Amino acid sequence: RKEVEQDPGPFNVPEGATVAFNCTYSNSASQSFFWYRQDCRKEPKLLMSVYSSGNEDGRFTAQLNRASQYISLLIRDSKLSDSATYLCVVNDEGSYSGGGADGLTFGKGTHLIIQP
Amino acid sequence: ETGVTQSPTHLIKTRGQQVTLRCSSQSGHNTVSWYQQALGQGPQFIFQYYREEENGRGNFPPRFSGLQFPNYSSELNVNALELDDSALYLCASSLRVANSPLHFGNGTRLTVT
Repeated sequence: RKEVEQDPGPFNVPEGATVAFNCTYSNSASQSFFWYRQDCRKEPKLLMSVYSSGNEDGRFTAQLNRASQYISLLIRDSKLSDSATYLCVVNDEGSYSGGGADGLTFGKGTHLIIQP
Repeated sequence: ETGVTQSPTHLIKTRGQQVTLRCSSQSGHNTVSWYQQALGQGPQFIFQYYREEENGRGNFPPRFSGLQFPNYSSELNVNALELDDSALYLCASSLRVANSPLHFGNGTRLTVT
């Protein structure tokens, strides 16, 4: 059974701090990786893709370690608006970011609360 | 650009009944996927439709079925509803090209009593 494991939190972090989330996945053949953000009672939205060389988008940095089957997300200078659930997502087959025949596998999410 | 729209937003059904949920894809997207998200869980893949055919399926029983129409809109049908079917049902559309992410609708919250 393919699994994506995340620490559910909640992570309570003061505004301006740096916070890091981790995620592990079970299928060593997984092909692509993403972080999605989900606000309370809303739909998930793509935050960023995760590339083997690591990638950065503003205050957000994603890293992938294929050998350890480990993905991370780092948020610097956290804002109140960063409060949300962060979902680690793995695509096991195919090259389509929308998922192939097995769809995308989502973790349960890590709940982040940024405190003023 | 029109996003993914789902209807209804909320629905209450009784155990044993049948339900149909509807989804309109984002303009230009030809692939539709359905996900079930129970409270406190991540979304679970139900199935995907491409060119009006089921393209892949997750670990859901046959009483979960779907359709995709020529305009790429889609339906999710669930027969013989069970209490555990209570969840947020998310429709997502995408293009079948590399680096085309999923775009989710707001979801339909189904409660089975």
